[in-house]
Amino acid sequence: AQSVSQHNHHVILSEAASLELGCNYSYGGTVNLFWYVQYPGQHLQLLLKYFSGDPLVKGIKGFEAEFIKSKFSFNLRKPSVQWSDTAEYFCAVAGGSYIPTFGRGTSLIVHP
Amino acid sequence: DVKVTQSSRYLVKRTGEKVFLECVQDMDHENMFWYRQDPGLGLRLIYFSYDVKMKEKGDIPEGYSVSREKKERFSLILESASTNQTSMYLCASSGTDSTDTQYFGPGTRLTVL
Repeated sequence: AQSVSQHNHHVILSEAASLELGCNYSYGGTVNLFWYVQYPGQHLQLLLKYFSGDPLVKGIKGFEAEFIKSKFSFNLRKPSVQWSDTAEYFCAVAGGSYIPTFGRGTSLIVHP
Repeated sequence: DVKVTQSSRYLVKRTGEKVFLECVQDMDHENMFWYRQDPGLGLRLIYFSYDVKMKEKGDIPEGYSVSREKKERFSLILESASTNQTSMYLCASSGTDSTDTQYFGPGTRLTVL
């Protein structure tokens, strides 16, 4: 069975600070990894995903994530956050099937 | 622009009532999903459907049922609503590959009194 762990439940940053949100997964085979974001009052939407190739994946709004197979990790990063990045972030893993398992989410608050 | 719509943004029901939550997608996706989202618990899968009239239980199916009579529509039914079913309900759809993105609706915030 696949599972996902997000280490940070609540993160508070000031604008221009760097961001790294941790995500570790458990699955024995080939995985597809996703980060979704939910801005206040909006739909959950895809930020970026990895399924093969370059382990450094770039997404929308300056976000990137690195797949490190040896660490079973897919951490999300952004060098300089903005107030508009305030949102809830979910990591998800899809192993053998098309049904992803989601982490518990990280609430990010960015102070202007 | 892809679209998943849900019948209500907010719903208030009484304990014991039968509740219907409707979801429609316009992307011709085979797969559709119902999740509930609770603070600190993330998204938990209730049911999913991979084809018309086909359904599979997710992680927390107790107290819920689903119906998929047409490809674009997936309904979640609470046969007898209870207060512990107060939650945000999210519908999603996707293609059939494990690399496919899920597209989510805006959610229905259900309060059961």
